[in-house]
Amino acid sequence: SQQGEEDPQALSIQEGENATMNCSYKTSINNLQWYRQNSGRGLVHLILIRSNEREKHSGRLRVTLDTSKKSSSLLITASRAADTASYFCATPTYSGGGADGLTFGKGTHLIIQP
Amino acid sequence: SQTIHQWPATLVQPVGSPLSLECTVEGTSNPNLYWYRQAAGRGLQLLFYSVGIGQISSEVPQNLSASRPQDRQFILSSKKLLLSDSGFYLCAWSVLLRGLMNTEAFFGQGTRLTVV
Repeated sequence: SQQGEEDPQALSIQEGENATMNCSYKTSINNLQWYRQNSGRGLVHLILIRSNEREKHSGRLRVTLDTSKKSSSLLITASRAADTASYFCATPTYSGGGADGLTFGKGTHLIIQP
Repeated sequence: SQTIHQWPATLVQPVGSPLSLECTVEGTSNPNLYWYRQAAGRGLQLLFYSVGIGQISSEVPQNLSASRPQDRQFILSSKKLLLSDSGFYLCAWSVLLRGLMNTEAFFGQGTRLTVV
C-alpha cells in the first residue's frame, strides 16, 4: 500500500510563482525524502528531512515536516521552466531485518508555464 | 564518485519471451540494491531488494526474479513476459547507516519495457 500520498496530483503555475506540494504518510518515520523525476528519466534526490527536524532549506527548496499530522510539504520558490517535472515524497520501509527500501507516493506533476 | 548504470534504455519484447535487465554500481562497496517498477502516471513499486551477494528479497509475487551475482551487479529477469510486465523499471542503490535508511537512494536512468 502507498505510504506517501502527494497532493495535488498535478499543478500548473506561471514561471516565477511559488509551487507548493504536500505529502501525507501513515506510519512513524525517521526521515522523509523528496525526489524529482524528469519525464522518462530516473529519480533524483532533492532533500531529506529527519523526524526531529521541522524545516529544511536547500537553494530554492523549502521542506517542512509535521510528524504530529504525518505530513510534509515541498515549496519551490521563484519557479523556472526547468522545474517542470514530477515530484515524489518517499519514506523508508522497515521489516524485522532492517530497512527494505523507500515507499513512494504517486507524485505531483508540476508544470511551469513560461 | 559513485555512478549507477542501467541498460538497455528501451526494450520491446513479445509476450512469452525472456527478459534480462542489468544494473551495475561503481564507486561504492556493499550497497543495498533495489528494483522498482513505475506504471504510467503512477508512483514507484518496490519489486526486489538485496543487502548482499545472493541475498534477494521479493516484495510482490509475480513472474519476475532478481539475482545479485556480484556485489555491485543486480539483474532483473523473467522466463516468460506478460503484457502486464510493461512499465518503466528503475534500479537504485543506497547505503544503510546503523541499519537505517538515513541517506538518499541513487537511481539509474531506467528501462522502458513494452511487452507486445
